[in-house]
Amino acid sequence: DVVMTQSPLSLPVTLGQPASISCRSSQSLVYSDGNTYLSWFHQRPGQSARRLIYQASNRDSGVPDRISGSGSGTDFTLKISRVEAEDVGIYFCMQGSHWPHTFGQGTKLEIK
Amino acid sequence: EVQLVESGGGLVQPGGSLRLSCAASGFTFSNHWMSWVRQAPGKGLEWVASIKKDESEQYYVDSVKGRFAISRDNAKNSLYLQLNSLRAEDTAVYSCVKGSGGGITAWGQGSSVTVSS
Repeated sequence: DVVMTQSPLSLPVTLGQPASISCRSSQSLVYSDGNTYLSWFHQRPGQSARRLIYQASNRDSGVPDRISGSGSGTDFTLKISRVEAEDVGIYFCMQGSHWPHTFGQGTKLEIK
Repeated sequence: EVQLVESGGGLVQPGGSLRLSCAASGFTFSNHWMSWVRQAPGKGLEWVASIKKDESEQYYVDSVKGRFAISRDNAKNSLYLQLNSLRAEDTAVYSCVKGSGGGITAWGQGSSVTVSS
């Protein structure tokens, strides 16, 4: 199975400051169709998860442009340019290029 | 608005069975792959199973193959997960998910399954 390794697992950030989360896969996530099926999700306490980024760098509708995804192959990053209070919660990556699909451990973002 | 509402969880003894259901609304259910994902207490997320739009393909994580069965009823906009031969390690919150692989776009709140004597 593809192992997804996220870091850091805990991320205290001051409001207005940037934040960055890394997600590394044990195998390349480039699928046979040429796409890279790496998604980022955000889950606020008590709420369902919401997808933020798909195919490594495409922002979902309604996601603010201060949130971005980048990377290729086995190395991916989620960046928040200026953290706001609504950004608290758990962020996790997920690969959909290989069966079984697998998730990162999750990164808990909190406000300092 | 997409809504996914799970039901059917509960406490079951080891070796027992449960059937989880997911009622979907707010989108054309028959046009989408659907999946189940679970999270055990204190553990990370684990993808469990996915089913194609027309039920022609199903995929399972190795740990549940032969014990769990994913199915759907497109006429009822419903997704199911039959859990048989349950083990303590199957204790988790099971969430219904719209999509599969790179196309997951919505999650339900989840239904709790506890396997204990």
